Amino acid sequence: KAGVTQTPRYLIKTRGQQVTLSCSPISGHRSVSWYQQTPGQGLQFLFEYFSETQRNKGNFPGRFSGRQFSNSRSEMNVSTLELGDSALYLCASSLEPVNYGYTFGSGTRLTVV
Amino acid sequence: QKEVEQDPGPLSVPEGAIVSLNCTYSNSAFQYFMWYRQYSRKGPELLMYTYSSGNKEDGRFTAQVDKSSKYISLFIRDSQPSDSATYLCAMSYNTDKLIFGTGTRLQVFP
Repeated sequence: KAGVTQTPRYLIKTRGQQVTLSCSPISGHRSVSWYQQTPGQGLQFLFEYFSETQRNKGNFPGRFSGRQFSNSRSEMNVSTLELGDSALYLCASSLEPVNYGYTFGSGTRLTVV
Repeated sequence: QKEVEQDPGPLSVPEGAIVSLNCTYSNSAFQYFMWYRQYSRKGPELLMYTYSSGNKEDGRFTAQVDKSSKYISLFIRDSQPSDSATYLCAMSYNTDKLIFGTGTRLQVFP
């Protein structure tokens, strides 16, 4: 059974650019959540999607956005990148929108220079 | 002050030792408590899940929740080099987003 797939694995971008990260959940999982992981702050919740609807949003600026498609795949977008956006971005999927059912992907490592 | 505090370590122990990992929290409304293990260059994987107070055991792992002290623990018995990883505690007051600790790095040497 394939796990959660995140692409790309690594990304280097310049300040001011925008970036799109992709997440393919486990087959049959309809809920996708995104987290940002940094050494100082740990994992912080970005947003959660279920059946193409955003159910929950974390305390991040509007430069961070996301969406979910009808096949449950999800994308997140960060516009006007800042150095502080450098982080590991993790996607987690679950059958239903409950946090104890999470399976995480391996993440996308974003470096902003 | 962060809602969830976790000692970053690193914690270095010999193979076979009993490991104790801990988190404290400030929000008394937290009801769901979890421990995740994260290997280098991988995403976190769920180890233990507890609802409300009490103990839970799964093989070599035991999770404890003390809501009166706002303190949770994970014990690893007979630790193995393969247990070397970062351990993250996580909690929430409903089934929505998780609040994570920053993680404790554990090294088990042969």
